[in-house]
Amino acid sequence: DVKVTQSSRYLVKRTGEKVFLECVQDMDHENMFWYRQDPGLGLRLIYFSYDVKMKEKGDIPEGYSVSREKKERFSLILESASTNQTSMYLCASSFSRGQFFGPGTRLTVL
Amino acid sequence: AQSVTQLDSQVPVFEEAPVELRCNYSSSVSVYLFWYVQYPNQGLQLLLKYLSGSTLVESINGFEAEFNKSQTSFHLRKPSVHISDTAEYFCAVSEGGNQFYFGTGTSLTVIP
Repeated sequence: DVKVTQSSRYLVKRTGEKVFLECVQDMDHENMFWYRQDPGLGLRLIYFSYDVKMKEKGDIPEGYSVSREKKERFSLILESASTNQTSMYLCASSFSRGQFFGPGTRLTVL
Repeated sequence: AQSVTQLDSQVPVFEEAPVELRCNYSSSVSVYLFWYVQYPNQGLQLLLKYLSGSTLVESINGFEAEFNKSQTSFHLRKPSVHISDTAEYFCAVSEGGNQFYFGTGTSLTVIP
């Protein structure tokens, strides 16, 4: 089975801190994605990556950056966390026939 | 880009009753269609998918969905729900298997 893991299930940070969210997949998938999930808004795509060192902006990239130095790892970076970035963050990887999701990181920015 | 509409944000249903969760998408080009389920404080799990072939697809826990190309719909159904089916359900569409577009979700609550 495909496994997608995220470094933290729950995270609490202060406004202005730099935040790293890590995602690792074990199935050699080329495509990886970062979403945020908020009540009533569903999943919104932040960034995605088709290959190592390649990234594309999604629908809401402002305030975020990403890094993909190795195929299995896709990191989401909040350069200076703000309270409006409090959310559930979901990482996913895909081959071509569907996405596989990690358990999510619930981030609270105080 | 695709647009995915889940008309019902909340669906309460009594245990052992049938349920239908509706999903419509915007484009009529060839698409892949998915339903995901999310239990509280967990990530999304793939419930079922339509890629090609038979328009009726089934999951291992009794859900089924039917692809209707003319109506651009992919509604999810179950003839008899259980308490354990209480969860958030997301419909998703992909045109080429790379980008995925999600609906805003339907919260299914099964009432004992």
